[in-house]
Amino acid sequence: GENVEQHPSTLSVQEGDSAVIKCTYSDSASNYFPWYKQELGKRPQLIIDIRSNVGEKKDQRIAVTLNKTAKHFSLHITETQPEDSAVYFCAERAGGTSYGKLTFGQGTILTVHP
Amino acid sequence: SAVISQKPSRDICQRGTSLTIQCQVDSQVTMMFWYRQQPGQSLTLIATANQGSEATYESGFVIDKFPISRPNLTFSTLTVSNMSPEDSSIYLCSGLRAETSGRWAQFFGPGTRLTVL
Repeated sequence: GENVEQHPSTLSVQEGDSAVIKCTYSDSASNYFPWYKQELGKRPQLIIDIRSNVGEKKDQRIAVTLNKTAKHFSLHITETQPEDSAVYFCAERAGGTSYGKLTFGQGTILTVHP
Repeated sequence: SAVISQKPSRDICQRGTSLTIQCQVDSQVTMMFWYRQQPGQSLTLIATANQGSEATYESGFVIDKFPISRPNLTFSTLTVSNMSPEDSSIYLCSGLRAETSGRWAQFFGPGTRLTVL
């Protein structure tokens, strides 16, 4: 079945540094990889996503890279700010369909110290 | 993106009872899902709510324990039946819809925090 491994489980950085979170997946038919940010007590919010026909996507301070051969994708946050502190979840859409279910990684607790 | 609301936002229930959670989306969505998120954990898919037919359950979840309804394209309910303390969790409704960009985006409701005593 689908499986997504996410690392690290916790990440602590100083304000202004970069943060990188990596996920690996097993289903070669997966074609969509979103990242969600969940602040304490709040709902998960989609922050960026990438399709399997693209290697990299950037939106201001955040970027996602995808390596289909190695079956891994990463979230990059540059110039981190304290408000970036949250739990980040990667996910993959299974089975190659455009609207299949999402399988989530275990989450990364990011702490940005002022 | 569409807005999802859930009711109740939280509840404390006695074991053996049942609770029905309502999910309302402000515009039509193609698919609706129910997830469970235990404290400090990731999101686990319970089932896909299908309009006008039985929900599709994931491994480890059964209809007798988590009956789901979806009478139309913007509303769904999840019932947690015969509750035990192990059912204490956050239950999240999710919707999937095609955006004008052509991508399919999935978004979440605020969750229902359930505590079973």
